[in-house]
Amino acid sequence: QQQVKQSPQSLIVQKGGISIINCAYENTAFDYFPWYQQFPGKGPALLIAIRPDVSEKKEGRFTISFNKSAKQFSLHIMDSQPGDSATYFCAATIIIQGAQKLVFGQGTRLTINP
Amino acid sequence: DAGVIQSPRHEVTEMGQEVTLRCKPISGHNSLFWYRQTMMRGLELLIYFNNNVPIDDSGMPEDRFSAKMPNASFSTLKIQPSEPRDSAVYFCASSRRTGGNQPQHFGDGTRLSIL
Repeated sequence: QQQVKQSPQSLIVQKGGISIINCAYENTAFDYFPWYQQFPGKGPALLIAIRPDVSEKKEGRFTISFNKSAKQFSLHIMDSQPGDSATYFCAATIIIQGAQKLVFGQGTRLTINP
Repeated sequence: DAGVIQSPRHEVTEMGQEVTLRCKPISGHNSLFWYRQTMMRGLELLIYFNNNVPIDDSGMPEDRFSAKMPNASFSTLKIQPSEPRDSAVYFCASSRRTGGNQPQHFGDGTRLSIL
């Protein structure tokens, strides 16, 4: 199954709060799990990524938690700011014929209220 | 460094017309990807190339869609004839092929409206 399931579809968080977005996958051949951030009128941009042999990765206010046995991973945004309002996509990659194919989740529209 | 460049940014045309979307990948990137984004279906991979060779076009919705990459610095996605249901934002992305996990860099997309 080359699917990545993402929830929630939309999320509203107060400024300073923690935003949490969850993803799940089935295919154990996936070998890299990036998160992309997309602002209106722009293409998705890589935010943070994790390898499956690591349980957590933190970059500033952004943390990925990864549970290999449960085939789940999540993005936590600490101290959420209005500038974080965007659509977030989790993804999983698989190498096919030498190219890294990205499979995206459905996206989460995050709104941070001031 | 210049990012992935897509043109046009917006295209409005009538049903039945031919549409050509263009992409210039980042210099030195070996892989190129075309995606389509809609509210209903999210981000869908249409086709991707490695060293200018199409690898997987299973995401291309119909024979009306075709993509080419004549050289390392240019790719086109063509729809002929276009239909209203083709209305979407089309993204091009590129990445390096070698060196482990390499992020894909996206252009800002072409917003296509078929009337």
